[in-house]
Amino acid sequence: AQSVTQLGSHVSVSEGALVLLRCNYSSSVPPYLFWYVQYPNQGLQLLLKYTSAATLVKGINGFEAEFKKSETSFHLTKPSAHMSDAAEYFCAVNRRGGNEKLTFGTGTRLTIIP
Amino acid sequence: EAGVAQSPRYKIIEKRQSVAFWCNPISGHATLYWYQQILGQGPKLLIQFQNNGVVDDSQLPKDRFSAERLKGVDSTLKIQPAKLEDSAVYLCASSSPSGGASYEQYFGPGTRLTVT
Repeated sequence: AQSVTQLGSHVSVSEGALVLLRCNYSSSVPPYLFWYVQYPNQGLQLLLKYTSAATLVKGINGFEAEFKKSETSFHLTKPSAHMSDAAEYFCAVNRRGGNEKLTFGTGTRLTIIP
Repeated sequence: EAGVAQSPRYKIIEKRQSVAFWCNPISGHATLYWYQQILGQGPKLLIQFQNNGVVDDSQLPKDRFSAERLKGVDSTLKIQPAKLEDSAVYLCASSSPSGGASYEQYFGPGTRLTVT
């Protein structure tokens, strides 16, 4: 079985401050890991994904995430928050060698304080 | 390229009524997914199609939910009869022809269903 846990359902940061959204995974086999963003009344958009090529993954809009096997973590970061980053963020895991069945976390709502 | 299209965007029905949602995936995408996203939760997979065959429907409440994908392109998800707990956003997604667990899923805007 596979699962992800997102710590903190709500995170608030000041504009220009560091964004850190936490995700820990559980998987019996090496996983594929994803971060998706959802803006109000829109579908999910892929920010970045880890597929084992490199542990530090860079995505769109200045976001990046680092895969740490020893900590079973895949935290999302951005050095400087922008007002447009306000959205819901979902971490998801898929199982290598299995079908494309994504398992999502419960999400973290990011609020940017002007 | 055009994205995943869904309709309607919003639907309000009374409990015990029926409702249907439509999805048109990205052209050429063989795999299509329906997710249910309840407020405050992450999306949960209801059913996955590969072309017009069902790959996984283990979390689909088959007593009231049904889905089909005719000719391996468009798909329809139906609820009959609806319950209050079916209030959610229903997301459709599709993925590239080659498939594979690392491939990106492209999501539509969703249909927000309210059951009163």
